[in-house]
Amino acid sequence: DQQVKQNSPSLSVQEGRISILNCDYTNSMFDYFLWYKKYPAEGPTFLISISSIKDKNEDGRFTVFLNKSAKHLSLHIVPSQPGDSAVYFCAASRGGGTSYGKLTFGQGTILTVHP
Amino acid sequence: GAVVSQHPSRVICKSGTSVKIECRSLDFQATTMFWYRQFPKQSLMLMATSNEGSKATYEQGVEKDKFLINHASLTLSTLTVTSAHPEDSSFYICSAIPVLVRTNYGYTFGSGTRLTVV
Repeated sequence: DQQVKQNSPSLSVQEGRISILNCDYTNSMFDYFLWYKKYPAEGPTFLISISSIKDKNEDGRFTVFLNKSAKHLSLHIVPSQPGDSAVYFCAASRGGGTSYGKLTFGQGTILTVHP
Repeated sequence: GAVVSQHPSRVICKSGTSVKIECRSLDFQATTMFWYRQFPKQSLMLMATSNEGSKATYEQGVEKDKFLINHASLTLSTLTVTSAHPEDSSFYICSAIPVLVRTNYGYTFGSGTRLTVV
């Protein structure tokens, strides 16, 4: 049962344009969501996160939007740069108790930004 | 801050032998660390939760006798793959939660260990 889904295996955008990466989840107990960037044979690098009490969080070129009713979140990268090319993972956490800190990851989306 | 170091980065071992992977929090104390595994072109899957001073808790389907976890201090957790087989070949990654947690914290990950069992 894939509780976090990234339905687009890959995305290709032109440098300077907006990249939009999507993520859906099924578990309504998730209350904290994160986006990671990852290169092959390296650990994930944290980009941005959002709590379920918010619908938007912005950090520089990265903005994450959360639609709780649709169980959907998206990562916007504006403007996209060639250095953004990597695999992007969406992750979700259930917050407190014994689940604290445990992350459920999506399958990842390969982003390619063309010069 | 919030740096997690993982060692070794790559290891090749013979089938039947054991391999130990270390995960260290360099600039913070972590009562809880997590071990994940990633097979090629797949997602990261949580294997187990490492708790300082107590037994690790394992996710469903993960053999605790095969993947031994020790969290002896607030800065070190080790994962030992015992009697390794080729199907254990994977990318193993740890993450750590600091004792003092900030909001909007991103759960820092180590750089990962590529295990190849031949």
